[in-house]
Amino acid sequence: SQQGEEDPQALSIQEGENATMNCSYKTSINNLQWYRQNSGRGLVHLILIRSNEREKHSGRLRVTLDTSKKSSSLLITASRAADTASYFCATAPTGGGNKLTFGTGTQLKVEL
Amino acid sequence: GAVVSQHPSWVICKSGTSVKIECRSLDFQATTMFWYRQFPKQSLMLMATSNEGSKATYEQGVEKDKFLINHASLTLSTLTVTSAHPEDSSFYICSAPVGNSRGDEQFFGPGTRLTVL
Repeated sequence: SQQGEEDPQALSIQEGENATMNCSYKTSINNLQWYRQNSGRGLVHLILIRSNEREKHSGRLRVTLDTSKKSSSLLITASRAADTASYFCATAPTGGGNKLTFGTGTQLKVEL
Repeated sequence: GAVVSQHPSWVICKSGTSVKIECRSLDFQATTMFWYRQFPKQSLMLMATSNEGSKATYEQGVEKDKFLINHASLTLSTLTVTSAHPEDSSFYICSAPVGNSRGDEQFFGPGTRLTVL
């Protein structure tokens, strides 16, 4: 399977703490994207980082990309209870057009 | 941002019947759409790429005769699960890329939960 791996599988933190999720993938990529999914719902696009970028910020989100290690991390700072969701990384492989390969996901729970 | 809708949001059917799921891009045109399925507490697995005006491209292991895809227009793709069985029960999600560059951001529909009795 070409599916990427994410760790941890599950993460439980207190509101106000930072949450870090890691993603590893197997092929060369055009870009890597992070998505959020609330239980039983569709996916919401969070951030896209291209293969020639190393770090990107969007609000409380910070994403890093290390193409030499084929890995990425998503940091959510000052977490809120509303951040509770599943988070998936997805890679757009080089030469693969717009096809995305999703990671296994991290279930984040932010407690009050 | 761009909006993708799916209909129905949920469906329950009897084993052996066929179910059609629609995916629409509401405010943009999509020459390509993607269909995924997701089992509980698992990730999304790409089933097929829907191409407007041509045949769909299926991923390895996905039966094209069982999961019929039709991309009737630049804003509509349909997935028909034929002769559905309980093991087809899953969450089906479509997506459409926005933009002309490869690997662009995609917008996802809200998903359709299929339960086959």
